[in-house]
Amino acid sequence: QKEVEQNSGPLSVPEGAIASLNCTYSDRGSQSFFWYRQYSGKSPELIMSIYSNGDKEDGRFTAQLNKASQYVSLLIRDSQPSDSATYLCAVNEGRFSGGYNKLIFGAGTRLAVHP
Amino acid sequence: DTEVTQTPKHLVMGMTNKKSLKCEQHMGHRAMYWYKQKAKKPPELMFVYSYEKLSINESVPSRFSPECPNSSLLNLHLHALQPEDSALYLCASSQDPDRGGPQHFGDGTRLSIL
Repeated sequence: QKEVEQNSGPLSVPEGAIASLNCTYSDRGSQSFFWYRQYSGKSPELIMSIYSNGDKEDGRFTAQLNKASQYVSLLIRDSQPSDSATYLCAVNEGRFSGGYNKLIFGAGTRLAVHP
Repeated sequence: DTEVTQTPKHLVMGMTNKKSLKCEQHMGHRAMYWYKQKAKKPPELMFVYSYEKLSINESVPSRFSPECPNSSLLNLHLHALQPEDSALYLCASSQDPDRGGPQHFGDGTRLSIL
C-alpha cells in the first residue's frame, strides 16, 4: 500500500515566523511531488511542485525534496494569519505508463498562524 | 477563480433523485478526475479519464456514473444516492496523462443527500 504521511497538527506558529511542514512517502518510484493549500470549505489549491532533489523557492514558499530519504518539506517564511489552512502533500504514483496519472495524498497538516 | 469550472456549486437531492455534476476545462488538458472529499479528510480518487477514456475506477458504487463527452467536459451522473454520499465533489485536470504533472482542482460541488 503506497502511503504519504503527514503530521496532522495543528501546527501553531506566531505571525512572522517560519512554518515547517513535513511529509514522507513510501513509493521509491515516485517522481513528482506537490503541495496544495486548502482553506476550510474550499478546494485544494496548488502552491508548489518539485521534481528533483534540493530546494525550490517561490516567493515566501520553499519546497525541499530528498528522494533518498523519501522526504518532502514545505517552508513558509514570514507566516501570515492568511496562511492558516490545511496543507496537503501529494505524490505521484511512481509509474505513468497506461495513460494515467494518480496522486497519493497525505492526510494534511493544519497550520494556524496567530497574530 | 480557477480554470476548472464546476457546476452546480451546491446541490441538495433526495435519495430517489437523479442529478448530474458538470466539470469543464479549457486548458487543453487530456486527463480529468473526479474526487470525493469528506470533512477533515484528503480528497479520495473516484475516476480518472485519460484521452477521454476511463482509465481508473476506484471501485466506486454504480450509483455514480462518470461520462466524458469530449476532452473539455466531464460529468458525474448521480442516482439513488445514500446519506453517506454527502460530501464535496471535486473535479481536477492535468495536462498529460503520461507524465507526472500537477492536477488543478475546480471549486467543487457541495452535495447534500436528504
